[in-house]
Amino acid sequence: EADIYQTPRYLVIGTGKKITLECSQTMGHDKMYWYQQDPGMELHLIHYSYGVNSTEKGDLSSESTVSRIRTEHFPLTLESARPSHTSQYLCASSLTGTGPNDGYTFGSGTRLTVV
Amino acid sequence: ILNVEQSPQSLHVQEGDSTNFTCSFPSSNFYALHWYRWETAKSPEALFVMTLNGDEKKKGRISATLNTKEGYSYLYIKGSQPEDSATYLCALRSVYNQGGKLIFGQGTELSVKP
Repeated sequence: EADIYQTPRYLVIGTGKKITLECSQTMGHDKMYWYQQDPGMELHLIHYSYGVNSTEKGDLSSESTVSRIRTEHFPLTLESARPSHTSQYLCASSLTGTGPNDGYTFGSGTRLTVV
Repeated sequence: ILNVEQSPQSLHVQEGDSTNFTCSFPSSNFYALHWYRWETAKSPEALFVMTLNGDEKKKGRISATLNTKEGYSYLYIKGSQPEDSATYLCALRSVYNQGGKLIFGQGTELSVKP
């Protein structure tokens, strides 16, 4: 039973469309993260949040934006999708992130293709 | 930007073979190392958290060791089974960012043939 939900699992969309990738968690975790992974490459952090109304850009520059209005919800939006946005997007959360043992719980990912 | 390296990138073995792969990281930045297993179409699943030099953790046929002085961790699978086929990710939590972000390697993709 998943504690962190991502929708959709797969999305094929045309260039110029606005899209929102949903991520919700039921564990009450403070910290949430969005990672992007291109084929054969490592997961790159693109956005993170330490709590409600807190969002920060990650290590990899991204044209996407995020919001954190509620603890459980951390959607990612692309205002105008382009083929260069084709990738896998993975959402994760952690309880506090302050201890060495505090790892991530992951969603199942969204595989986005922009045509 | 911190670099976490995993090798090999992919590995193809026969059922019953034992295998191992490596995760390398900058030792000066070490706070904790996490191993995850990621099966196709599923969420990455936590395997181990390694924090102390010389740590050895075991879960069934899978075990991991840690050397923080030289900056590497090994993951071993004894007697590989087809259900072990997955991508194995390691991730570093840096001493300079203890409060959250994990830095991932590119993963080792393991394929076990029956």
